[in-house]
Amino acid sequence: NAGVMQNPRHLVRRRGQEARLRCSPMKGHSHVYWYRQLPEEGLKFMVYLQKENIIDESGMPKERFSAEFPKEGPSILRIQQVVRGDSAAYFCASSSTWTGESNQPQHFGDGTRLSIL
Amino acid sequence: SQQGEEDPQALSIQEGENATMNCSYKTSINNLQWYRQNSGRGLVHLILIRSNEREKHSGRLRVTLDTSKKSSSLLITASRAADTASYFCATVTGNQFYFGTGTSLTVIP
Repeated sequence: NAGVMQNPRHLVRRRGQEARLRCSPMKGHSHVYWYRQLPEEGLKFMVYLQKENIIDESGMPKERFSAEFPKEGPSILRIQQVVRGDSAAYFCASSSTWTGESNQPQHFGDGTRLSIL
Repeated sequence: SQQGEEDPQALSIQEGENATMNCSYKTSINNLQWYRQNSGRGLVHLILIRSNEREKHSGRLRVTLDTSKKSSSLLITASRAADTASYFCATVTGNQFYFGTGTSLTVIP
């Protein structure tokens, strides 16, 4: 399967714990995007990364949230000291080039559903 | 906000009918894309229309773009029960992808 892989599919955490969400982009893709989706809503952009670099993190809360895309391995979205409001579906997408200029689509994973108890 | 808005929010039709959903956006764009999301799954790219294009077809899909009105429409012809899903338009400004709020389509067999 050469698609975008996200794990875990479901993650349950208690308030105050840390959540780590992983995303392996499609083979050959070096651009990764993270989105958050609340029930009955559209996707909200969080962060755009290219290998080892954060290109745009303007959609990500300044505190408790961080993202990385190391040279080797998956992209990680990390949420520290989770609160109930962090409960959502988190989607990762990837592309081979920046979709804004290349007119290429983004390819999405099936998401991680994060539930905070 | 740049975020697009789809209209209607929800649409229910009989199998075989056509479904039309609209998207409006606020700033200039390079392209506009339509995606489908089945319940519990990620988004699947359907079709992309560039800012210099007015209409595009792909199978049973027809997309139009009116940059003067900052709007786009997605037409699904001869709908099938399998078309039941949420449909989102997406636009790009700067480094960010902006998704609309979606249209929930139900096709009744």
